[in-house]
Amino acid sequence: QKEVEQNSGPLSVPEGAIASLNCTYSDRGSQSFFWYRQYSGKSPELIMFIYSNGDKEDGRFTAQLNKASQYVSLLIRDSQPSDSATYLCALKRAGGSYIPTFGRGTSLIVHP
Amino acid sequence: GAVVSQHPSWVICKSGTSVKIECRSLDFQATTMFWYRQFPKQSLMLMATSNEGSKATYEQGVEKDKFLINHASLTLSTLTVTSAHPEDSSFYICSANPSTGASNQPQHFGDGTRLSIL
Repeated sequence: QKEVEQNSGPLSVPEGAIASLNCTYSDRGSQSFFWYRQYSGKSPELIMFIYSNGDKEDGRFTAQLNKASQYVSLLIRDSQPSDSATYLCALKRAGGSYIPTFGRGTSLIVHP
Repeated sequence: GAVVSQHPSWVICKSGTSVKIECRSLDFQATTMFWYRQFPKQSLMLMATSNEGSKATYEQGVEKDKFLINHASLTLSTLTVTSAHPEDSSFYICSANPSTGASNQPQHFGDGTRLSIL
């Protein structure tokens, strides 16, 4: 089982809809969770991070974490064509390890 | 916010050439930096962890003699692709997070270097 699982997609949603991106992980020692957006040919950029169970909102983005079920999700409200990109889920273990583990990413397409 | 600068952004060179890529943390110190490689339409692949003042830690399958890493200061790590060949053509990306503060801080990425070997 891979440490971080993401559906590669593509996930296609119409403009204005809610895009829901999911990520599951196997390491219960994971402490910190991150969502990155990567446009084609560009490097990843941080969108959100979440450490505690529950929801965290930032503008149109909401990160949801459920440690008991070992999943983290990203909701994008009012999706725009400019949101079309690959979204990477990443996590870090507790205990001082600085090495993050990345999922393979989910491709999101927002069509007008 | 934390800024990571990577240079050059694009390199085209002949086979057999050695290429050096720099990664700088502009507004924070980083004892650890990471080097990734990404082929088209594939996921990020961690190549090595660069440790300030000590040897880099390479991932399995990555040739340490081919990909030389130097992390001589708290703000600079370099990756040198020695005797590059066309199969080394890829998108190389570095990342870092501040040394101080909580260990759960996010990684900040450089803009990447697109390497094309002819």
